[in-house]
Amino acid sequence: AQKVTQAQTEISVVEKEDVTLDCVYETRDTTYYLFWYKQPPSGELVFLIRRNSFDEQNEISGRYSWNFQKSTSSFNFTITASQVVDSAVYFCALRPTSGTYKYIFGTGTRLKVLA
Amino acid sequence: GAGVSQSPSNKVTEKGKDVELRCDPISGHTALYWYRQSLGQGLEFLIYFQGNSAPDKSGLPSDRFSAERTGGSVSTLTIQRTQQEDSAVYLCASSLDLQGARETQYFGPGTRLLVL
Repeated sequence: AQKVTQAQTEISVVEKEDVTLDCVYETRDTTYYLFWYKQPPSGELVFLIRRNSFDEQNEISGRYSWNFQKSTSSFNFTITASQVVDSAVYFCALRPTSGTYKYIFGTGTRLKVLA
Repeated sequence: GAGVSQSPSNKVTEKGKDVELRCDPISGHTALYWYRQSLGQGLEFLIYFQGNSAPDKSGLPSDRFSAERTGGSVSTLTIQRTQQEDSAVYLCASSLDLQGARETQYFGPGTRLLVL
């Protein structure tokens, strides 16, 4: 079975704090892709990152960083020095590489960054 | 350039009626996806198209749901004999194709469906 779990339903932080959003996945596929998307309030989902299961290097993009650990089936997302504009719902997703482009999304984590 | 557009933005219907939801992908995008987002839930995959064909329809919840795509562009998601549990936001996304970074999905604003 394929599954993505985002156990944190909602997180509130004060501006400039660091925050980590957890994502744990289950798949029997040996190769797969992992994604993060951001859905701002009253806005459209925006792609943030795509990671191949072969590549376990962590990635940093500005204040955003992602920690992929195959051993624990986790793909966590950290925002450093959070800002009010980071307030959104963040979704983690999984797509196996075998035969289909069916994405499995988690239920999302609502992040509120308070000024 | 224009993004993915969906119409209507909101739809209220009575139980038992049929509804059609429309998605206009970004011009030149060959892949198109439909998702359903219920309150407090993640995105639920419904179907995707490569060109006009739908290789994976496994996410359609029942035979009341169908989708088509014509001319490799516009797609319509049809729900027949709507039920209250069909109430949700229906999201459409498109991608350039299904290769590498070109698989990046661009989402539309969604159609909010309420079945009374």
